[in-house]
This record gives sequence, structure tokens and C-alpha cells, in this order.
Amino acid sequence: QVQLQESGPGLVKPSETLSLTCAVSGGSMSSYYWSWIRQSPGKGLEWIGYVYNSGSTNYNPSLKSRVTVSEDTSKSQFSLRLSSVTAADTAVYYCARGNDYGDYGRPRGFDYWGQGTLVTVSS
Amino acid sequence: EIVLTQSPATLSLSPGERATLSCRASESVNFFLAWYQQKPGQAPRLLIYDASNRAPGIPARFSGSGSGTDFTLTISSLEPEDFAVYFCQQRNNWPPRYTFGQGTKLEIK
Repeated sequence: QVQLQESGPGLVKPSETLSLTCAVSGGSMSSYYWSWIRQSPGKGLEWIGYVYNSGSTNYNPSLKSRVTVSEDTSKSQFSLRLSSVTAADTAVYYCARGNDYGDYGRPRGFDYWGQGTLVTVSS
Repeated sequence: EIVLTQSPATLSLSPGERATLSCRASESVNFFLAWYQQKPGQAPRLLIYDASNRAPGIPARFSGSGSGTDFTLTISSLEPEDFAVYFCQQRNNWPPRYTFGQGTKLEIK
């Protein structure tokens, strides 16, 4: 059974960089799209981006200038960095696995999720 | 950006009843629509992808239909564990971009 587990600081100061890591267990990282999705009361669920195929990435255009998603397959983990954060970035951050169900390059859904971690941006 | 509008915002039904949830896209997404279930304090759970394909392990009482801009999630006979919030999610063709609806809360009547 695939399991994902987020880790990282729960409090980040405005203008600083949010950094989270997701540990993957129970399955291979190849052939999937390792994703970050966040959820806040004001914006609902928002897709942030994903990494796949040994380093290729795809980001939400609205966040692209501030986001980096990377993977370390040797450690079975992937990471999120979001720079220049503001209070609007306060949310529960989920890591998730995108599955293309055979349609290479285009995940059709997110089939495994971490339990989520609350990140608050505040001084 | 493609906007997904879900209706109703809240649906009150009893166990054993049939639930019909709607998701409308601001422009055609072909059949690239997924449905998720989320319970309090938990992550979303994938139910349906490509409008009508059940994800592995999802009970047959969950079914999806639609294409283009109008989609429906149907739960044929509600079980107590089905009361939750349901989200739709679209993927546009290329490059892939993903947006979610605002959710429908399915509550016990």
C-alpha cells in the first residue's frame, strides 16, 4: 500500500520560503507524478504542481514564479519550495500521487494523498 | 482558467436514498473530470477519473457520467459512510492544468 507523509515547519514568516518534504513508501516513484496540492477556506483546493520522469515539472501558472518541486528518488521523497510567502499562502498542504492511467504525460487524477500538514504564514 | 461550479452546495438525504451531485465547467473539458470524497480531517479520496471510470477499490454504488461541460456523480444507495464533502476536478488537455470545484456537502437528513 502506497503511503505518503508530509514533513516541514508549521509556521513560516512572511517573505520567507516555505519548504516541505513528502516521504513515499510502499511503491516505486517511477511512472507517477509527485504532486503538491493545498487547501484553504478561502481558495478551496488548489493544485500547485508536480515533478515526474526524473525531474520534469509542471506548475500552476499562478504560482509558477515562486514554486519549485523536486524529487530525490534515492531517498523516495519529493519536496516543495514556495518563496516569498504571504498570509494568502496559509493552508493545509497535501502531497499526492498523480496517475495517468496510461495516458503518458497527463495525470488523470490524484490517487494517493498524504494526511496533510497545516502551514501558517505569520510573523 | 477553467472554473468548475458544483451544485447544490449542500444536499440533505437519508441513508438508502440516491444522491445526484452536479459539476459544471466554464468551458469544455472533454471527459477529463475526476471526483473526490473528503471526510473531516482527512485528505481527499479519488472516486472517479475520466468522468466515468471508478478508481480501484471504489464501490460500485458510485458512478460518474457526463462530458463537455456537464457532469454528474451518482451514489445509488447512500451508506452512512458516504456523508462527506465531494469535489470535482478537471484537467485541461495540454499543458495539463488542474482546478477543483468548491465542493458539495452531503449531509444526513
